[in-house]
Order: sequence, then C-alpha cells, then structure tokens
Amino acid sequence: DAGVIQSPRHEVTEMGQEVTLRCKPISGHNSLFWYRQTMMRGLELLIYFNNNVPIDDSGMPEDRFSAKMPNASFSTLKIQPSEPRDSAVYFCASSGPLHGNTEAFFGQGTRLTVV
Amino acid sequence: AQTVTQSQPEMSVQEAETVTLSCTYDTSESNYYLFWYKQPPSRQMILVIRQEAYKQQNATENRFSVNFQKAAKSFSLKISDSQLGDTAMYFCAFMNRDSSYKLIFGSGTRLLVRP
Repeated sequence: DAGVIQSPRHEVTEMGQEVTLRCKPISGHNSLFWYRQTMMRGLELLIYFNNNVPIDDSGMPEDRFSAKMPNASFSTLKIQPSEPRDSAVYFCASSGPLHGNTEAFFGQGTRLTVV
Repeated sequence: AQTVTQSQPEMSVQEAETVTLSCTYDTSESNYYLFWYKQPPSRQMILVIRQEAYKQQNATENRFSVNFQKAAKSFSLKISDSQLGDTAMYFCAFMNRDSSYKLIFGSGTRLLVRP
C-alpha cells in the first residue's frame, strides 16, 4: 500500500482565496483524521471521521473550515476564505481495525502558506 | 481533559550513546494508549513505539524502549546506541481508547545526534 496520500505537498495562496486540501487514506482503514501543526499550537486535531461520518469536529477553528468524506477513499479539508493565520502544515492520518484503530498512519502533510 | 507535557524542548546526544526523552500526561481514564512519534526534517510522522496502559511490561522496539510509570503518569523514551538518523522531533501522544481514537500530542522534543 502506498500509505496515506495527501495533495498538494505545498500550497501558496493569497488571503481570501479558497483552499482545498485532499487526502486518500490507506485502503481498509475506517478512521480518518485531519491535524494541523503550527509552531505556536503544535499538533492539534481538527476533525475525525469514522466510517465516513464526522464524529468530532470540535477542533475546527471556525466556520471558514469545512471537511468532507464522501467515500471511504477520499477526504477534503476546505478553507474559505483563507487568512494568513491559517498558514500551517496540515496532516491527514488514517487508522483501521487491524490494530484496533490504535495505530495512526500519517500522510506527508500539506504545507499551506497564505500571503 | 487529557494533557501531555514534554518538558525538554531540545536534547543533544553523542552518536552511539543513550538518551532519554521525558513525557508526562494527565488523565482520569483507565483505558488508554501512549505513543512516541518521530518527525524527521522530511516532516513525515513516524510511529516509534506504542504502550497499552493495561500492560505492565514496558514496550521495546529494537533500540527504542519506554519506561512507563502508570501511577506517576510518566512515559519516557530511551534511545540506545543513538544514530545520526535519529535526529528529529519526537512527540509523545495519548489516546483514550474508550471515547475516540484521536491523538493528543505533547509539544515535542527536538533531538540532535552529534557525530
């Protein structure tokens, strides 16, 4: 398996623009997570899906952020409109029943820069 | 709420020597997992080692081992025979097995292995 695949690896956008980050989890995994990493706040969970259903979105910072998981093999995180303070590395991770959902596999992250 | 504290922002060790990274956590839960993740400059998050709270035996993975003190809520990582490739950020993480599969991360320790 190719692991968790995120695209793009890097994204530079202007303030006010819409940004869409994409994630393909590992086949067979039923849990998907979006994390954000910044120097100030470290690694924080934004949203968690189980069987394509959002279970916990308490980490989503505000209404400008939205996430979807239309099927088991694809998820998106959208920011509209983007702001400079959204600049961060965004990770997608997935886990599956093989290890009791206790081992999260991370993608390589998307570095977002909003100018 | 659970918290994870890593009190050492930076550590340095000579190649081939042993180093211990500290982690403490706070929780009232009884069924949980603890993890150490490594993040090299490539920014990929890599699982190093995992400990189940109900297991008294400390986990080991080759040169990596943990000292899990449940009563003290302490979970340190020992790296033996340090190698240059061990240079990375190391994150301690907590997962409450009963409520969700989300990871709560500490702030990280930057480890430099000197040649």
